[in-house]
Amino acid sequence: QKEVEQNSGPLSVPEGAIASLNCTYSDRGSQSFFWYRQYSGKSPELIMSIYSNGDKEDGRFTAQLNKASQYVSLLIRDSQPSDSATYLCAGPGETSGSRLTFGEGTQLTVNP
Amino acid sequence: KAGVTQTPRYLIKTRGQQVTLSCSPISGHRSVSWYQQTPGQGLQFLFEYFSETQRNKGNFPGRFSGRQFSNSRSEMNVSTLELGDSALYLCASSFGSSYNEQFFGPGTRLTVL
Repeated sequence: QKEVEQNSGPLSVPEGAIASLNCTYSDRGSQSFFWYRQYSGKSPELIMSIYSNGDKEDGRFTAQLNKASQYVSLLIRDSQPSDSATYLCAGPGETSGSRLTFGEGTQLTVNP
Repeated sequence: KAGVTQTPRYLIKTRGQQVTLSCSPISGHRSVSWYQQTPGQGLQFLFEYFSETQRNKGNFPGRFSGRQFSNSRSEMNVSTLELGDSALYLCASSFGSSYNEQFFGPGTRLTVL
């Protein structure tokens, strides 16, 4: 059973639109979640961390954590072509023995 | 502050050989985690070291091993390479517990022929 699952992609949005990326998790005790951005051929880059229920905003990015429904999301406002990348959701892993378990990733394309 | 560094960046090996990859964490970070990334399996956790001790291990065969030195630098070793070991190997450092934010290095691209 996967511990962190992301909605299937790829996702394509026009420039200036809001991109919505979602992730669900299985461990109700999970306290911290992270969103990473990975450009093709590069390593993952941490863009957002969220530790408590509710929203956390940083510039054009908003992370949302809903512990009751066990999902975490990332909203990208005013999407730019430079936001085109794969976005990875990560949370504490348990059954796999890992400390961070990553979702499969959602490939986002922002069309000019 | 300098980021996480990994060496070498690219490696080509043949089946049966062994390989050692190196990772230097961000200054002050004591935890180093290793991940394997492949197109089919995504990012898979290998192991985590904290203060020279392996604190956690993923579901990989014993051919994959690692260690951490007193300066927090870490190495991972893969023995008897198989074609399926071709992947991007990523090292991530964090301040303490792996529940802290993890910062990734550029990775080592390993190709096994």
